[in-house]
Amino acid sequence: EPEVTQTPSHQVTQMGQEVILRCVPISNHLYFYWYRQILGQKVEFLVSFYNNEISEKSEIFDDQFSVERPDGSNFTLKIRSTKLEDSAMYFCASTLSLGEQYFGPGTRLTVT
Amino acid sequence: DQQVKQNSPSLSVQEGRISILNCDYTNSMFDYFLWYKKYPAEGPTFLISISSIKDKNEDGRFTVFLNKSAKHLSLHIVPSQPGDSAVYFCAASRTSGGSYIPTFGRGTSLIVHP
Repeated sequence: EPEVTQTPSHQVTQMGQEVILRCVPISNHLYFYWYRQILGQKVEFLVSFYNNEISEKSEIFDDQFSVERPDGSNFTLKIRSTKLEDSAMYFCASTLSLGEQYFGPGTRLTVT
Repeated sequence: DQQVKQNSPSLSVQEGRISILNCDYTNSMFDYFLWYKKYPAEGPTFLISISSIKDKNEDGRFTVFLNKSAKHLSLHIVPSQPGDSAVYFCAASRTSGGSYIPTFGRGTSLIVHP
């Protein structure tokens, strides 16, 4: 069964450093998403991506964040200058049509 | 800003009995609702959904009920199995404008005892 994959599973970085979180969505899906979940809190929407551009973003997704789909398979989330409060689980999701989304296993980002 | 609330952080049920997970929402514009299940070290997995034009949707052991007037939905699992032990997230979205971006609740941890 096709699945969304994410790498790395755990990323530790120092405050102020740039990180890139990688996702490989399900191959025929068209809509792509990033979410985060701070420990003990709810899953929060960051950004959606369709037709090679951002379709929606939340107020969390500020200028420090960017997304790219550099080739036909990868979907990346970049945080330019990480802050302590960026520590969270980051989930990628994809879907073929609007509705239920398929989530990856997540990347745990720890900013020290 | 808790537009989607799951007021019970945890629920413990005996195997074979019914599990009822509850969810309330405040935004009357929400018209599409989903339940996701999450095991540790995994991402959320879609379980079942319901559109606001329905009040019930059933899929095997899982049934979701929607009460629009009360802005309340619930997930029933019958019979509960130990493998159902997971965190269950309620999510709601507004489909007007083609968004479908879900707003999640904080989750309810279900433990099913053998």
